[in-house]
Formats: sequence, structure tokens, C-alpha cells
Amino acid sequence: DSGVTQTPKHLITATGQRVTLRCSPRSGDLSVYWYQQSLDQGLQFLIQYYNGEERAKGNILERFSAQQFPDLHSELNLSSLELGDSALYFCASSVGDYLSYEQYFGPGTRLTVT
Amino acid sequence: AQKITQTQPGMFVQEKEAVTLDCTYDTSDQSYGLFWYKQPSSGEMIFLIYQGSYDEQNATEGRYSLNFQKARKSANLVISASQLGDSAMYFCAMREGQGDSSYKLIFGSGTRLLVRP
Repeated sequence: DSGVTQTPKHLITATGQRVTLRCSPRSGDLSVYWYQQSLDQGLQFLIQYYNGEERAKGNILERFSAQQFPDLHSELNLSSLELGDSALYFCASSVGDYLSYEQYFGPGTRLTVT
Repeated sequence: AQKITQTQPGMFVQEKEAVTLDCTYDTSDQSYGLFWYKQPSSGEMIFLIYQGSYDEQNATEGRYSLNFQKARKSANLVISASQLGDSAMYFCAMREGQGDSSYKLIFGSGTRLLVRP
């Protein structure tokens, strides 16, 4: 158990809908990262927050947004969902704000868009 | 051009033997970092090891070591004394850019390792 929690574990929704994925980092970690893993795109870094502020942006679509709250939990919002958004979404956390710090991954949320 | 290349989609190794998983990268940055992650069949991602571009010594973490050859742009993962529990997918990744909002983490396509008893 990494100490990072993600909810829900599974999510099934229809095209065009909007969903919110939630992540709670390990106690004491200030950084939260979001990743997407799909069969066709592989593993992609989406976005990082550090202590409430956006720190780095990867291949995140405009239909996707994220935020980190004062209690350090983070939410990833996916809107106007398409079939291609079906993937495993990971959240990770680390102490520091650079990717050199060891990251601890949550169990992931599997999103299925039908 | 691919930034991170893992040329071995699948590999076998006998239990207790050492195995090397290949990773080459491409970057024009002077400052970058290289990571290896393990993903067992259960799906979780496990950080294994990190090497900074300015680190002079190869990183080691227990049975894992990173064979960093900067001139060749390779960052191979060496697992010594393989165990059955090492059977998993292994991803090499690179952090490009400095500590500002322009940096990214790029993953390779992965190598599936199967340890034979």
C-alpha cells in the first residue's frame, strides 16, 4: 500500500459526459501528479500540482482539468468524454516539487467510456 | 523521433540470474532525469530507481541498478538475482526541462519481463 488513495476504482460512463476522479496523496506529500495509461497511447504524464499550484503540464487535453485543494487532495475533471478517453488514470504523490523525488502511485481509476 | 526507446517488448530470465532491460533516450537538455518503474499484473505503478544527468555514479537501489551511459544516451536497468515476483512490465521514463512549468515526463513503451522458475 503506497498510501495514495484514488476514488473511484472503476467508472463507467457514456460519451459526452463529465466525470471527476479524486486523489488523496500520502501524508506529508505536497506534489500530486496525474497520469493516463491507455493501450494506444501508452503511459502519459498529464499534469502536476505542488502545494495547490499547477507545476507542470504534460499531454493534458483542453477537455481535462485538475486542481489541488488546500487539504492537498486533487481532482481530475474529464468532460465531453470520448471513447478514446477510456484508460487507467493514475495519481502519484511525492514530497518535493521536482520529478526527481520518488513518486508513490495510487491504485488507479479505470475509466470506461461507452 | 521517439524520446524514450525500449526495444525489448518482452524478455525471459531464469530465476536467480541477472537481467538487463534496455532504454535509450533522446534529449538536447543538459539537465534531465531518468526513471524506471515496475507495473505488476495487478496494475499499480512502483517507482524503482532514479538517475540525474549530473550524477556521476550509477544509481543503485537494492537489487536494482541503473547502468547510465551518458555519451550513448542509454539508461539500462539491471536486476540482479531475479525473483519470481520481478515478473512485470517495466517502464523507462525521462524528465526533460528545468524546474519550471515546461518540464515533462515521457515514458517508453515498456518491457514485459517474465521470470522462469
